[in-house]
Parts: sequence; structure tokens; C-alpha cells
Amino acid sequence: SQQGEEDPQALSIQEGENATMNCSYKTSINNLQWYRQNSGRGLVHLILIRSNEREKHSGRLRVTLDTSKKSSSLLITASRAADTASYFCAYKGGGFKTIFGAGTRLFVKA
Amino acid sequence: DAGVIQSPRHEVTEMGQEVTLRCKPISGHNSLFWYRQTMMRGLELLIYFNNNVPIDDSGMPEDRFSAKMPNASFSTLKIQPSEPRDSAVYFCASSSGQGGNEQFFGPGTRLTVL
Repeated sequence: SQQGEEDPQALSIQEGENATMNCSYKTSINNLQWYRQNSGRGLVHLILIRSNEREKHSGRLRVTLDTSKKSSSLLITASRAADTASYFCAYKGGGFKTIFGAGTRLFVKA
Repeated sequence: DAGVIQSPRHEVTEMGQEVTLRCKPISGHNSLFWYRQTMMRGLELLIYFNNNVPIDDSGMPEDRFSAKMPNASFSTLKIQPSEPRDSAVYFCASSSGQGGNEQFFGPGTRLTVL
């Protein structure tokens, strides 16, 4: 399967703590993206990191990319209850298809 | 812009019936994707259109599934005949470019086949 793998599958933390999610992939990539999905909703794009970038920030989000290890991580700092959602990595290898990981379910307790 | 619009939001039907899901992409986007999401399989790409042309339909599970994009502002996903295992949330997404760019997802259609 080309599907990316994410870990952990589920993560439960206290409000104010940091949350780190990891994604591994199997092919060479042009870019890697992270999406969030709230329960019952569609996915929302969070951030895109290109293959020649190693780190990118957006507000409380920090994404790293290690192409030698074919892995990426998403860090959410100072988490809030509203960050409770599923988080997916997605990447485009060769061709047109964007491949989504299985997702990490994050629960932030108030 | 209203974003990607999908209809219906919920559909309950009986096995054997035809189901048609509809999608209106964001104006100006030339790529459109249909996905299916289930607990067991996660998010699966069913078909991808670029400039109204199907580019990759390798994810379409079987001949019972068909998709069309008659113009840049409308696409349909049809299941005929439907089966209980087709129950899932079906998402439509659109983006600019040829794939690999940010995708904008619709709210999804929750399909239940009894």
C-alpha cells in the first residue's frame, strides 16, 4: 500500500501541553501536507512543506520534514480543547495522486 | 466563495437502489477529487479529474461506481446498484493545478445503504 503511516494512532493530552504527531511515507515526494478533520466535517488544509524545506511554522504549528528518513512531524504547541480533531499527513509522489495517511486522533482535555 | 458544495449531506437508501452524489467545486479550480472515508479503510481516493477529464480512476472499487464531470462547475458520483458495504462518507475536494496542491474539501455526504 502506498498509504502513509502516522503515529500515534491516538493521542490524549491536557490543554496547554504540546502535541507531536509523526508521519512516514514510502516514495519520493514533491511536498507533504498536513490536514485537520473535525468530527463530521471535511478535511481542512493546515500547512504544506516542500521537499527542499526542513522546517515550517504557522502560528502554533511547526512541521519538520526529513526526506532521508521519509518522515515528517507536526507539533502543536500550547494545545487547546479546540485542537481536538484528527490530523492527516498527505503527500504527492510521482504522478497526480495525493496519498493520505491513516491519521492521528488528538484529544485535548480542558 | 462558498467553498466546495456537496449534496445531499445525508442519504439513506435501500440495497439495490441507485445513488447519485453531487459536487460543485470552487470556481477557478481545475482539479476535482472524489474520496470515500470509512473507519476500516480511512480516506480513499476514488477518482481524480483535471480540466473535466478523468485522469486516475484506479480507486473506483467496481463497475457499480461511475463519475462524471460534464463541466468545470459540476461533478457526480453514481453508485448503481448500491450495497450495504458502500456505506461511508463521500468527500469531494477541489484544487488548482494538477494535483499535489492544497485541496479544499466539501462537507461530505454520509451515505447509509440498508
